[in-house]
Amino acid sequence: DGGITQSPKYLFRKEGQNVTLSCEQNLNHDAMYWYRQDPGQGLRLIYYSQIVNDFQKGDIAEGYSVSREKKESFPLTVTSAQKNPTAFYLCASSIGPGHKEAFFGQGTRLTVV
Amino acid sequence: AQKITQTQPGMFVQEKEAVTLDCTYDTSDPSYGLFWYKQPSSGEMIFLIYQGSYDQQNATEGRYSLNFQKARKSANLVISASQLGDSAMYFCAMREGDYGQNFVFGPGTRLSVLP
Repeated sequence: DGGITQSPKYLFRKEGQNVTLSCEQNLNHDAMYWYRQDPGQGLRLIYYSQIVNDFQKGDIAEGYSVSREKKESFPLTVTSAQKNPTAFYLCASSIGPGHKEAFFGQGTRLTVV
Repeated sequence: AQKITQTQPGMFVQEKEAVTLDCTYDTSDPSYGLFWYKQPSSGEMIFLIYQGSYDQQNATEGRYSLNFQKARKSANLVISASQLGDSAMYFCAMREGDYGQNFVFGPGTRLSVLP
């Protein structure tokens, strides 16, 4: 089945550590996105990528980094510079430019311990 | 300024009744798309319905319809014949411009369907 797979579902990080969240899609979508969701709130854009080897900062990119070496993959690294990383992270993809809907993964819940 | 406003943090509806979730948006671009997503407690985001700024008719998808009032910049979601499984967070979102590079989401409305 086509879809978006995020892993792991739950992730625990010690303070000062970098962690990488995986996002893989087999929908042949050009565009991919990372969002952060805090409890009871909407989604905020961290990074997005329209094509391979290119990505743009979203509204809250500080403390995060991404890569887009393959069309199918868009991993997100939460660095130690991110002061409050505990949140729910959602990855999404869409066909590309235009007004098509985005499809989302199941999310990764990151907790700093 | 908020691009997407959802003024109802929480809503209650009786099972089998209809409910309207409000969404207003702000854009100066004539070309945009409006979306509604459902987020159950499991966390996944489920696409429900889409309305394009140039669409002449209101979008419908099964029990979901979108009441699009362009001049008022509103895109309210109507759920008919509510079911217990409709209890979830609902988010309104927008993609601006012909190339709609990214999605902007509203704060969401929590809908609770009462038996």
